[in-house]
Amino acid sequence: GNSVTQMEGPVTLSEEAFLTINCTYTATGYPSLFWYVQYPGEGLQLLLKATKADDKGSNKGFEATYRKETTSFHLEKGSVQVSDSAVYFCALSTNAGKSTFGDGTTLTVKP
Amino acid sequence: DTEVTQTPKHLVMGMTNKKSLKCEQHMGHRAMYWYKQKAKKPPELMFVYSYEKLSINESVPSRFSPECPNSSLLNLHLHALQPEDSALYLCASSQTQTGLGETQYFGPGTRLLVL
Repeated sequence: GNSVTQMEGPVTLSEEAFLTINCTYTATGYPSLFWYVQYPGEGLQLLLKATKADDKGSNKGFEATYRKETTSFHLEKGSVQVSDSAVYFCALSTNAGKSTFGDGTTLTVKP
Repeated sequence: DTEVTQTPKHLVMGMTNKKSLKCEQHMGHRAMYWYKQKAKKPPELMFVYSYEKLSINESVPSRFSPECPNSSLLNLHLHALQPEDSALYLCASSQTQTGLGETQYFGPGTRLLVL
């Protein structure tokens, strides 16, 4: 079956630090890959996505590149802000319409 | 309008109660989803409706009963729940169920407590 593995958290960074959250996946076929963010007390919001190998998704300073050879979709940001504190979920979906989520990584950014 | 709304925001119910959760979207999406999320865990898929027909039921106990009255509305009827059913229930929608790279738009959730 399909699976997503995220680096374990929680992650605590100082403001303006560089962020990497690792994500690797196992899937049959050609999945689409996503990063969702969940702020406290809210639902999930799409942060970025990529639908084929070597695609780069980007939004709000966050980036991730779909690497088929390493089955990875690592999330990066060059300079985090306090407002980036949230839980980040890596996910994949296939054409069957079912999404598989990683366990989530809690990011705390301190001023 | 890219919003999915859910009501109520919070719900407390006893194990003998019957209640319903409601979800609404006006984006013209034809796929709608119910997820259950426990604290510090990822969402778990419960049900998927595609063009108002039940497409996926992830072996959810019958005390949860979904309904899709029209393309904009999705309900989840609850009856005889157990304390372990306490969780955040998330609704989501997408343009279609099976399109490549379909983005799911999530509502804020209903936080359910079963006593």
